[in-house]
Amino acid sequence: EAQVTQNPRYLITVTGKKLTVTCSQNMNHEYMSWYRQDPGLGLRQIYYSMNVEVTDKGDVPEGYKVSRKEKRNFPLILESPSPNQTSLYFCASSLGPGGNSPLHFGNGTRLTVT
Amino acid sequence: GQQVMQIPQYQHVQEGEDFTTYCNSSTTLSNIQWYKQRPGGHPVFLIQLVKSGEVKKQKRLTFQFGEAKKNSSLHITATQTTDVGTYFCAGPGYSGAGSYQLTFGKGTKLSVIP
Repeated sequence: EAQVTQNPRYLITVTGKKLTVTCSQNMNHEYMSWYRQDPGLGLRQIYYSMNVEVTDKGDVPEGYKVSRKEKRNFPLILESPSPNQTSLYFCASSLGPGGNSPLHFGNGTRLTVT
Repeated sequence: GQQVMQIPQYQHVQEGEDFTTYCNSSTTLSNIQWYKQRPGGHPVFLIQLVKSGEVKKQKRLTFQFGEAKKNSSLHITATQTTDVGTYFCAGPGYSGAGSYQLTFGKGTKLSVIP
């Protein structure tokens, strides 16, 4: 089944403790992206990747890192999480870049930073 | 940068009533996409409109793309409880270095009263 898999689904952590949210897609998509969703603010892009070893900042990249060493994986790294990063995170992928291809979203990761 | 405005933010309807959400972009769009997010779920792609004045239907859902390709609407006829969720529009915006990224509206949250 074609899908985007995120893990974990729920995560509670403390300020400053490094964490990684994994994302994997099995559709051979070139483009992958991370979004955060907050009440009243909608979906905001954190980082995106046009292909392996190519990543770029989205609208809200501060406090986040990503890597794209393999086509299928695009982990999101929070080196020193803070409470303002408490949010619902979605990984997404699409066949082509540039907003012209439909995005396939993962099930989401709800992160709480205390 | 590009902005995608969506109204209304919330809509409560009686089951069987019609529902419409509107999307406006500050720039001309090459295409517009619509997504639906069920409560507790992830955004799911519904449709993509590309041509000026395009109208597409999916059962009780009618999608329109404006003549100037700066606005769009989603109309649901005779809503059902299965229509509950948040509907997002998204359009590609230029993000620099020849790259375009999808910008999402903040969504319209639809509640259907049985």
